[in-house]
Amino acid sequence: GAGVSQSPSNKVTEKGKDVELRCDPISGHTALYWYRQSLGQGLEFLIYFQGNSAPDKSGLPSDRFSAERTGGSVSTLTIQRTQQEDSAVYLCASSLAGQGAIDTQYFGPGTRLTVL
Amino acid sequence: AQSVAQPEDQVNVAEGNPLTVKCTYSVSGNPYLFWYVQYPNRGLQFLLKYITGDNLVKGSYGFEAEFNKSQTSFHLKKPSALVSDSALYFCAVRASGGSYIPTFGRGTSLIVHP
Repeated sequence: GAGVSQSPSNKVTEKGKDVELRCDPISGHTALYWYRQSLGQGLEFLIYFQGNSAPDKSGLPSDRFSAERTGGSVSTLTIQRTQQEDSAVYLCASSLAGQGAIDTQYFGPGTRLTVL
Repeated sequence: AQSVAQPEDQVNVAEGNPLTVKCTYSVSGNPYLFWYVQYPNRGLQFLLKYITGDNLVKGSYGFEAEFNKSQTSFHLKKPSALVSDSALYFCAVRASGGSYIPTFGRGTSLIVHP
């Protein structure tokens, strides 16, 4: 079956513009995660969804970042008034059950965001 | 709090030689440990995980990892490296009774020379 997909694969934007990043998880996966990967850094957790609700938003770096998930499926990460330090690869992952379960995360290919 | 250390930014090994990528962790309680691999311009792919039981875990592509509780380590190993193993490797940990969000290490770049 299809894996996790993300779009766009690359996004170049100007400082101050808003961007939307999309994640399509594996069908049937109830848990969805967003991470940020910067050059030379590990994966920085941003937000976790269980179904359509987000029980853990602790990793969102500022109020310019928000995310939603609809229909227990597609998720959108929105960054408002982008800054150059937002430049990174944004990775989405999904897993079957999430919370409390020891299930494997499946990652998408990521969206490379460049803020000029 | 939970944390992961991958002490080597880069590991170089000749094709056919054994490889080891190091990982140490810190958690409260029992750990769940994972290894992922990332090829260029790709997302992370799951390799293997330790939950409980046998300390030696076998995973995809001939990789294995050994859980050592006393040394709080979970090193990734392969008996004979391939050039195609060249990639970025991430170790991750979460506590069995804690946050269900795993903490990832900074990654180790493995370069296998022909």
